[in-house]
Amino acid sequence: DQQVKQNSPSLSVQEGRISILNCDYTNSMFDYFLWYKKYPAEGPTFLISISSIKDKNEDGRFTVFLNKSAKHLSLHIVPSQPGDSAVYFCAASVDGATNKLIFGTGTLLAVQP
Amino acid sequence: DTGVSQDPRHKITKRGQNVTFRCDPISEHNRLYWYRQTLGQGPEFLTYFQNEAQLEKSRLLSDRFSAERPKGSFSTLEIQRTEQGDSAMYLCASSPWGTSGSRVYNEQFFGPGTRLTVL
Repeated sequence: DQQVKQNSPSLSVQEGRISILNCDYTNSMFDYFLWYKKYPAEGPTFLISISSIKDKNEDGRFTVFLNKSAKHLSLHIVPSQPGDSAVYFCAASVDGATNKLIFGTGTLLAVQP
Repeated sequence: DTGVSQDPRHKITKRGQNVTFRCDPISEHNRLYWYRQTLGQGPEFLTYFQNEAQLEKSRLLSDRFSAERPKGSFSTLEIQRTEQGDSAMYLCASSPWGTSGSRVYNEQFFGPGTRLTVL
Protein backbone atom coordinates (compact mmCIF):
# COMPACT_ATOMS: atom_id res chain seq x y z
CA ASP A 1 0.00 0.00 0.00
CA GLN A 2 1.86 3.04 -1.31
CA GLN A 3 0.64 5.92 0.87
CA VAL A 4 2.86 8.49 -0.85
CA LYS A 5 3.07 8.41 -4.62
CA GLN A 6 5.29 10.16 -7.11
CA ASN A 7 3.90 9.13 -10.47
CA SER A 8 6.59 10.71 -12.61
CA PRO A 9 9.80 8.68 -12.44
CA SER A 10 11.72 11.36 -14.33
CA LEU A 11 11.52 14.96 -15.49
CA SER A 12 13.74 16.93 -17.87
CA VAL A 13 13.81 20.74 -17.79
CA GLN A 14 15.89 23.44 -19.45
CA GLU A 15 18.16 25.54 -17.28
CA GLY A 16 16.40 28.73 -16.15
CA ARG A 17 12.91 27.28 -16.54
CA ILE A 18 10.56 26.09 -13.82
CA SER A 19 10.67 22.52 -12.52
CA ILE A 20 7.45 21.17 -11.03
CA LEU A 21 7.58 17.90 -9.12
CA ASN A 22 4.34 16.33 -7.96
CA CYS A 23 3.36 14.08 -5.10
CA ASP A 24 0.04 12.51 -4.07
CA TYR A 25 -0.86 10.89 -0.77
CA THR A 26 -3.70 8.75 0.47
CA ASN A 27 -3.50 8.96 4.27
CA SER A 28 -5.56 11.89 5.56
CA MET A 29 -3.75 11.64 8.92
CA PHE A 30 -0.54 13.01 7.40
CA ASP A 31 0.05 16.48 8.79
CA TYR A 32 3.60 17.28 7.78
CA PHE A 33 5.24 17.00 4.38
CA LEU A 34 8.86 17.28 3.33
CA TRP A 35 10.93 17.25 0.17
CA TYR A 36 14.39 15.72 0.08
CA LYS A 37 17.01 15.76 -2.66
CA LYS A 38 19.36 12.84 -3.18
CA TYR A 39 22.55 12.60 -5.17
CA PRO A 40 24.04 9.17 -6.00
CA ALA A 41 26.01 7.58 -3.15
CA GLU A 42 24.78 10.19 -0.65
CA GLY A 43 21.99 10.28 1.88
CA PRO A 44 18.87 12.40 1.28
CA THR A 45 19.28 16.11 1.96
CA PHE A 46 16.37 18.10 3.39
CA LEU A 47 15.04 20.83 1.08
CA ILE A 48 11.79 22.26 2.36
CA SER A 49 8.77 21.28 4.41
CA ILE A 50 5.17 22.31 5.01
CA SER A 51 2.69 21.59 7.75
CA SER A 52 -0.94 20.84 7.00
CA ILE A 53 -2.07 24.16 8.44
CA LYS A 54 -0.44 25.96 5.52
CA ASP A 55 -0.92 25.75 1.78
CA LYS A 56 2.38 27.28 0.69
CA ASN A 57 5.92 27.56 1.95
CA GLU A 58 8.76 29.29 0.16
CA ASP A 59 12.52 29.16 0.62
CA GLY A 60 14.58 30.89 -2.02
CA ARG A 61 14.14 29.14 -5.35
CA PHE A 62 12.02 26.38 -3.77
CA THR A 63 8.29 26.60 -3.10
CA VAL A 64 6.05 23.82 -1.86
CA PHE A 65 2.30 23.93 -2.40
CA LEU A 66 -0.14 21.78 -0.48
CA ASN A 67 -3.71 21.03 -1.61
CA LYS A 68 -5.27 19.07 1.24
CA SER A 69 -8.59 18.51 -0.43
CA ALA A 70 -6.86 16.86 -3.37
CA LYS A 71 -4.22 15.20 -1.16
CA HIS A 72 -1.60 16.63 -3.47
CA LEU A 73 1.59 18.60 -3.03
CA SER A 74 4.08 19.98 -5.47
CA LEU A 75 7.60 21.38 -5.40
CA HIS A 76 8.43 24.29 -7.69
CA ILE A 77 12.05 25.15 -8.45
CA VAL A 78 12.55 28.51 -10.14
CA PRO A 79 14.87 29.05 -11.89
CA SER A 80 16.17 25.52 -12.38
CA GLN A 81 19.94 25.07 -12.37
CA PRO A 82 22.08 22.13 -13.58
CA GLY A 83 23.13 21.52 -9.97
CA ASP A 84 19.50 20.75 -9.15
CA SER A 85 19.78 17.52 -11.13
CA ALA A 86 19.11 14.77 -8.59
CA VAL A 87 16.39 12.43 -7.34
CA TYR A 88 13.68 14.25 -5.38
CA PHE A 89 11.68 12.42 -2.73
CA CYS A 90 8.42 13.53 -1.23
CA ALA A 91 7.84 12.36 2.36
CA ALA A 92 4.98 12.60 4.81
CA SER A 93 4.53 12.14 8.53
CA VAL A 94 1.79 11.85 11.09
CA ASP A 95 2.24 14.01 14.21
CA GLY A 96 5.02 16.19 12.92
CA ALA A 97 8.37 15.58 11.29
CA THR A 98 9.95 13.88 14.26
CA ASN A 99 7.98 10.72 13.74
CA LYS A 100 8.69 8.18 11.02
CA LEU A 101 8.67 9.46 7.45
CA ILE A 102 6.80 7.72 4.64
CA PHE A 103 8.59 8.32 1.36
CA GLY A 104 7.48 8.28 -2.25
CA THR A 105 9.50 6.45 -4.91
CA GLY A 106 11.25 9.58 -6.14
CA THR A 107 11.46 11.63 -9.33
CA LEU A 108 14.74 11.99 -11.21
CA LEU A 109 15.14 15.61 -12.28
CA ALA A 110 17.55 16.42 -15.10
CA VAL A 111 18.22 20.10 -15.73
CA GLN A 112 19.72 20.58 -19.17
CA PRO A 113 22.24 23.44 -19.64
CA ASP B 1 30.12 17.83 14.41
CA THR B 2 29.08 18.37 10.83
CA GLY B 3 26.36 15.79 10.41
CA VAL B 4 25.24 12.20 10.74
CA SER B 5 27.98 9.67 10.07
CA GLN B 6 27.67 5.99 9.23
CA ASP B 7 30.23 3.23 9.20
CA PRO B 8 31.06 1.35 7.08
CA ARG B 9 30.00 3.00 3.84
CA HIS B 10 30.07 -0.29 1.98
CA LYS B 11 29.80 -3.89 3.16
CA ILE B 12 29.98 -7.04 1.07
CA THR B 13 29.18 -10.26 2.85
CA LYS B 14 28.24 -13.83 2.10
CA ARG B 15 24.78 -15.17 2.73
CA GLY B 16 24.41 -16.44 6.26
CA GLN B 17 26.97 -14.10 7.81
CA ASN B 18 26.16 -11.48 10.46
CA VAL B 19 26.81 -7.79 9.84
CA THR B 20 26.70 -4.74 12.08
CA PHE B 21 26.41 -1.11 11.07
CA ARG B 22 27.06 1.97 13.18
CA CYS B 23 25.42 5.38 13.12
CA ASP B 24 26.60 8.49 14.92
CA PRO B 25 23.86 11.14 14.99
CA ILE B 26 24.21 14.88 15.30
CA SER B 27 25.23 15.31 18.93
CA GLU B 28 22.29 17.35 20.22
CA HIS B 29 19.67 15.22 18.48
CA ASN B 30 17.84 12.80 20.76
CA ARG B 31 15.84 10.98 18.06
CA LEU B 32 17.56 8.48 15.77
CA TYR B 33 15.99 6.60 12.88
CA TRP B 34 16.94 3.69 10.64
CA TYR B 35 15.61 3.35 7.09
CA ARG B 36 16.31 0.92 4.27
CA GLN B 37 16.33 1.86 0.59
CA THR B 38 16.31 -0.55 -2.31
CA LEU B 39 16.80 0.28 -5.99
CA GLY B 40 14.00 2.36 -7.45
CA GLN B 41 12.27 2.86 -4.11
CA GLY B 42 12.20 5.56 -1.49
CA PRO B 43 13.61 4.97 1.97
CA GLU B 44 11.45 2.66 4.12
CA PHE B 45 11.21 3.13 7.86
CA LEU B 46 12.71 0.38 10.02
CA THR B 47 12.86 1.68 13.59
CA TYR B 48 13.53 4.72 15.72
CA PHE B 49 14.85 5.67 19.15
CA GLN B 50 14.30 8.51 21.49
CA ASN B 51 17.46 8.64 23.57
CA GLU B 52 18.09 4.96 24.40
CA ALA B 53 14.46 3.84 24.13
CA GLN B 54 13.36 2.07 20.98
CA LEU B 55 9.89 3.50 20.38
CA GLU B 56 8.73 1.81 17.21
CA LYS B 57 9.74 -1.05 14.93
CA SER B 58 8.42 -1.68 11.45
CA ARG B 59 7.09 -5.06 10.42
CA LEU B 60 9.96 -4.96 7.91
CA LEU B 61 12.29 -5.52 10.85
CA SER B 62 12.29 -9.29 11.10
CA ASP B 63 13.72 -11.12 14.10
CA ARG B 64 17.04 -11.31 12.28
CA PHE B 65 17.38 -7.56 12.69
CA SER B 66 18.22 -5.86 15.97
CA ALA B 67 18.98 -2.23 16.71
CA GLU B 68 20.40 -0.67 19.83
CA ARG B 69 21.25 2.76 21.13
CA PRO B 70 22.79 1.87 24.48
CA LYS B 71 23.69 5.29 25.83
CA GLY B 72 21.39 7.43 23.77
CA SER B 73 24.22 8.48 21.48
CA PHE B 74 25.41 6.20 18.64
CA SER B 75 23.30 3.32 17.39
CA THR B 76 24.04 -0.08 15.86
CA LEU B 77 21.95 -2.14 13.47
CA GLU B 78 22.77 -5.84 13.31
CA ILE B 79 21.53 -8.28 10.73
CA GLN B 80 21.98 -11.94 11.56
CA ARG B 81 22.09 -14.74 8.99
CA THR B 82 22.00 -12.32 6.08
CA GLU B 83 19.96 -13.15 3.00
CA GLN B 84 20.32 -11.83 -0.54
CA GLY B 85 17.09 -9.88 -0.05
CA ASP B 86 18.82 -7.85 2.66
CA SER B 87 20.97 -6.17 0.00
CA ALA B 88 20.08 -2.48 0.21
CA MET B 89 21.24 0.94 1.36
CA TYR B 90 20.76 1.33 5.11
CA LEU B 91 20.21 4.94 6.08
CA CYS B 92 20.39 6.53 9.50
CA ALA B 93 18.82 9.89 10.36
CA SER B 94 18.57 12.03 13.46
CA SER B 95 16.39 14.89 14.62
CA PRO B 96 15.85 16.99 17.71
CA TRP B 97 12.63 16.63 19.67
CA GLY B 98 11.08 18.99 22.16
CA THR B 99 10.61 17.69 25.68
CA SER B 100 7.81 20.05 26.64
CA GLY B 101 5.26 17.84 24.97
CA SER B 102 4.44 20.51 22.42
CA ARG B 103 4.74 19.52 18.81
CA VAL B 104 8.07 20.46 17.27
CA TYR B 105 8.42 20.48 13.54
CA ASN B 106 11.98 19.58 12.61
CA GLU B 107 13.34 17.73 9.64
CA GLN B 108 15.34 14.54 9.89
CA PHE B 109 18.99 14.76 8.86
CA PHE B 110 20.30 11.75 7.01
CA GLY B 111 23.72 10.17 6.95
CA PRO B 112 25.43 8.93 3.76
CA GLY B 113 24.21 5.38 4.26
CA THR B 114 25.79 1.93 4.34
CA ARG B 115 25.43 -0.06 1.15
CA LEU B 116 25.10 -3.78 1.93
CA THR B 117 25.64 -6.42 -0.73
CA VAL B 118 24.88 -10.02 0.20
CA LEU B 119 26.41 -12.55 -2.17
